[in-house]
Amino acid sequence: AQSVSQHNHHVILSEAASLELGCNYSYGGTVNLFWYVQYPGQHLQLLLKYFSGDPLVKGIKGFEAEFIKSKFSFNLRKPSVQWSDTAEYFCAVSSGGSYIPTFGRGTSLIVHP
Amino acid sequence: EAQVTQNPRYLITVTGKKLTVTCSQNMNHEYMSWYRQDPGLGLRQIYYSMNVEVTDKGDVPEGYKVSRKEKRNFPLILESPSPNQTSLYFCASSRDNREAFFGQGTRLTVV
Repeated sequence: AQSVSQHNHHVILSEAASLELGCNYSYGGTVNLFWYVQYPGQHLQLLLKYFSGDPLVKGIKGFEAEFIKSKFSFNLRKPSVQWSDTAEYFCAVSSGGSYIPTFGRGTSLIVHP
Repeated sequence: EAQVTQNPRYLITVTGKKLTVTCSQNMNHEYMSWYRQDPGLGLRQIYYSMNVEVTDKGDVPEGYKVSRKEKRNFPLILESPSPNQTSLYFCASSRDNREAFFGQGTRLTVV
């Protein structure tokens, strides 16, 4: 069975700081990787996704993620966060016949203005 | 507009009173799933469905039932709700394993 581990449960940053959220998964085969964002009081929205090809994936709102196969990692990055990035971020993986992704526990990001 | 619709958005009920949370998608997706979201635990899958009449247990299925009689609908049934089922519930659908679309969520409180 696949599993997803997010290292940071709570992150607090000031505006303009750089962000990196860690995500590791356990599955030996081909995977599809996702980062979802959940703004306060809202449902989950797709931030970016990786299926194949260039391991550096760019998403919406200036976010990017890098797939490192040898480390089973898919870390999320943003060079300069804004107050509006305050949200919960979830890493997820689907693989093989698993069409509904498995999620990590989430990282709560608070950005101070 | 492509969407996943859950109802109700908020529900307060008493222990033991059967309830159903509906989920409907208009994208003709084969795959649908229910998650519950709890602080510090992230999203945990309750049940999923690969197609009509095909359902299977996720990670936390105890106390829940589902049915998939039509492709668009995937209701979540709590036959005898208990306080430990107080949670935020999300329905999701996908056509393949490339992206899941989520409903707005149902906040359930069982007293």
